[in-house]
Amino acid sequence: EAGVAQSPRYKIIEKRQSVAFWCNPISGHATLYWYQQILGQGPKLLIQFQNNGVVDDSQLPKDRFSAERLKGVDSTLKIQPAKLEDSAVYLCASSLEGTGGRDEQYFGPGTRLTVT
Amino acid sequence: GEDVEQSLFLSVREGDSSVINCTYTDSSSTYLYWYKQEPGAGLQLLTYIFSNMDMKQDQRLTVLLNKKDKHLSLRIADTQTGDSAIYFCAEKYSSASKIIFGSGTRLSIRP
Repeated sequence: EAGVAQSPRYKIIEKRQSVAFWCNPISGHATLYWYQQILGQGPKLLIQFQNNGVVDDSQLPKDRFSAERLKGVDSTLKIQPAKLEDSAVYLCASSLEGTGGRDEQYFGPGTRLTVT
Repeated sequence: GEDVEQSLFLSVREGDSSVINCTYTDSSSTYLYWYKQEPGAGLQLLTYIFSNMDMKQDQRLTVLLNKKDKHLSLRIADTQTGDSAIYFCAEKYSSASKIIFGSGTRLSIRP
């Protein structure tokens, strides 16, 4: 079974530029998550999709971050414009259902973003 | 409140046991998790425990839960060099699937 795929693996941009990350979840997984992991910290949930609907985006800075999940499969996360404090690893994860209960999340390798 | 706390570093000798500790604040948490993150990789679920359990053992891993003190620990028996990684404690609320992660404990193994 293929895992969660993410691209690019690394990205360096200047502040005020735009950037987009792509995620392909495990086939058949209904729920997709985007996390931000700042160096030295644990992952923080940015947004959770159930199929192509948003379940939780309470921690997404909506003035600069946006995300979509087309047809309930792949997802993109965009930052426009980027700030220095956006430097982090952006992790995508997917799970079969995402409902309460032991629903294991499978993580991709992440995209390391550096904003200069 | 939402807070999961862990010590930042742990160093153990190869072959010894490692014990990684975590405290959490939400008494309504249903599931508590331990994730492992190796360099350049995403997180991998190691083990989990239901809040109505005190202990769970899975091969070299033993999880202990003290609900009264809101304390969770992960014991790795016979620690090997391949166990070098960052270990994250995480909790999941009863009413939602949002997982809250701690800051991680970096485990290093010395010969």
